[in-house]
Amino acid sequence: DQQVKQNSPSLSVQEGRISILNCDYTNSMFDYFLWYKKYPAEGPTFLISISSIKDKNEDGRFTVFLNKSAKHLSLHIVPSQPGDSAVYFCAADLTGNQFYFGTGTSLTVIP
Amino acid sequence: GAGVSQSPSNKVTEKGKDVELRCDPISGHTALYWYRQSLGQGLEFLIYFQGNSAPDKSGLPSDRFSAERTGGSVSTLTIQRTQQEDSAVYLCASSLEGSNEQFFGPGTRLTVL
Repeated sequence: DQQVKQNSPSLSVQEGRISILNCDYTNSMFDYFLWYKKYPAEGPTFLISISSIKDKNEDGRFTVFLNKSAKHLSLHIVPSQPGDSAVYFCAADLTGNQFYFGTGTSLTVIP
Repeated sequence: GAGVSQSPSNKVTEKGKDVELRCDPISGHTALYWYRQSLGQGLEFLIYFQGNSAPDKSGLPSDRFSAERTGGSVSTLTIQRTQQEDSAVYLCASSLEGSNEQFFGPGTRLTVL
């Protein structure tokens, strides 16, 4: 069973506009959430994270929002740049040693 | 500094053969994880090592899969009697103790014919 879901396999956004990537989860015990970015033929790289005690975390152009009641988090990228084109994975941490990943959303930023 | 490295980058094997995949974590990282990503799927947790503690093997899909970590550094994931459904990219990650941030290697693409 998929405990972390990314229902949009792909997203296209014009350069300069906002990209919003969504993630839903089923386990209310998850206490930490992360976003990873993956380029082809490379391993995922950490992008941004949020603790379950917060509802927002911002780092430059990247902001993650957490809605615990809806079991939903989102990653906002603004302004989007062509170099942001990659696959984005949402991940949730249960015990500090077991991470559950979504299936990824492929973002294309059109110049 | 050097990141997480994995070898081989690609492995093609015949059904029924055994394979070994290697991971060299970042020096000083006590935690090491193995994941696999099958086509169209998310990253699936396989096993977790933390220091000298017993590994968390709860994600291993069958007893054909095993992993060890020698000297708290290099790890080897072994798949015995490979099946076609084992075809996937196998990713290794390491992290500092207590950190949620994992650093991933480039992965090993395994193809079982």
